Amino acid sequence: QSVLTQPPSASATPGQRVSISCSGSSSNIGTKTVNWYQQLPGTAPKLLIYSDNQRPSGVPDRFSGSKSGTSASLAISGLQSEDEADYYCAAWDNSLRVWVFGGGTKVTVL
Amino acid sequence: EVQLVESGGGLVQPGGSLRLSCAASGITFSGYDMHWVRQGTGKGLEWVSSIGPAGETFYAASVKGRFIISRENAKNSIYLQVNSLRAEDTAVYYCAGEFRQKGFAYWGQGTPVTVSS
Repeated sequence: QSVLTQPPSASATPGQRVSISCSGSSSNIGTKTVNWYQQLPGTAPKLLIYSDNQRPSGVPDRFSGSKSGTSASLAISGLQSEDEADYYCAAWDNSLRVWVFGGGTKVTVL
Repeated sequence: EVQLVESGGGLVQPGGSLRLSCAASGITFSGYDMHWVRQGTGKGLEWVSSIGPAGETFYAASVKGRFIISRENAKNSIYLQVNSLRAEDTAVYYCAGEFRQKGFAYWGQGTPVTVSS
């Protein structure tokens, strides 16, 4: 059972928009920033979003992050076949003094 | 080009030990928070341990007292001494680098650890 809760799966057709939620608590998402990672099959994770909504250099602007209260979201617009991957949210938990990850969401491009 | 290269994984019996290493290049290593994250086969990412630029350390509850993280800035490296290994420690262990709380921006390719008799 992960401290951050994500839906196990999400899907959409090419060109559509898909959104992934990440639910936490006041000790993590509620007070600390959220990062998102993309993991393509058989590869190491890649940083997609940091500080709730910032994209590292090289990440397409199709990917966007937002946060409200103790929940965060990752949106992928203009979905492409190469976006098929597992996506993870993560945040520092101030009470537990640990990093916590969501269980991951598998995005399927139909 | 930034590179993180892990090594030291392998097959070990329950109760055994290993020392994992992660060598970094292409970054000003001493300014980075460094992390170990593991992933069991078919499972999600699990944070294991972190070490800050000043040497402060943090551990997941599941490994506290068994794993020890350290860094050697002169060698641009971090290490994870993993002791009293259990079957549930079987995973690919990734090291990752973070600068100024901007996410785990750099990742290695991972080193597999299998705990089995």
